[in-house]
Amino acid sequence: AQTVTQSQPEMSVQEAETVTLSCTYDTSESDYYLFWYKQPPSRQMILVIRQEAYKQQNATENRFSVNFQKAAKSFSLKISDSQLGDAAMYFCAYRRGTDSNYQLIWGAGTKLIIKP
Amino acid sequence: EAGVAQSPRYKIIEKRQSVAFWCNPISGHATLYWYQQILGQGPKLLIQFQNNGVVDDSQLPKDRFSAERLKGVDSTLKIQPAKLEDSAVYLCASRYQRGYNEQFFGPGTRLTVL
Repeated sequence: AQTVTQSQPEMSVQEAETVTLSCTYDTSESDYYLFWYKQPPSRQMILVIRQEAYKQQNATENRFSVNFQKAAKSFSLKISDSQLGDAAMYFCAYRRGTDSNYQLIWGAGTKLIIKP
Repeated sequence: EAGVAQSPRYKIIEKRQSVAFWCNPISGHATLYWYQQILGQGPKLLIQFQNNGVVDDSQLPKDRFSAERLKGVDSTLKIQPAKLEDSAVYLCASRYQRGYNEQFFGPGTRLTVL
């Protein structure tokens, strides 16, 4: 069975600086997707970035980028130029299944605090 | 485009009482998920529907939890009777059935069982 581990319960960063959130996972599959989701306080979960395992290039979305190390089964999220609005819980998730029928396996989350 | 709607947003009940949550997915989304998110943990899938059929309910505590999705649109999740450990946020998510499509989440229902 697949598992997702986020070893940092909480991280803090100064506004405008860069922070990296860690995620490791375990799977025997060769083709899969990985995601980072953001859950602001009392607001809904939104997708931040996704990575297809067959792509060697790391995904990037504006200030958000990932460092995907397939052999090491590591999937970290880098947030550049941190903003106050980035404060939230961040969850790493692994997609199990196919395009037409899939489920997400979630990590426990990392609480990101932005210091003004 | 309207998002995933859930109600109520908050609910406080006594243990052994019953409670029901409602979810209205984004129009056209055939797949619907219910998750339980206990404080300090990631979401745990309870049940997955495709249209009005159950795809996976392997983690649903069927002795007390039930869910239905009549007509393949909105869905209800019920707990009867509730236990203290059911205190959590219940999230509903939906997505299109075909191809890769991200899951869109509702705001959740925060349940407190006293």
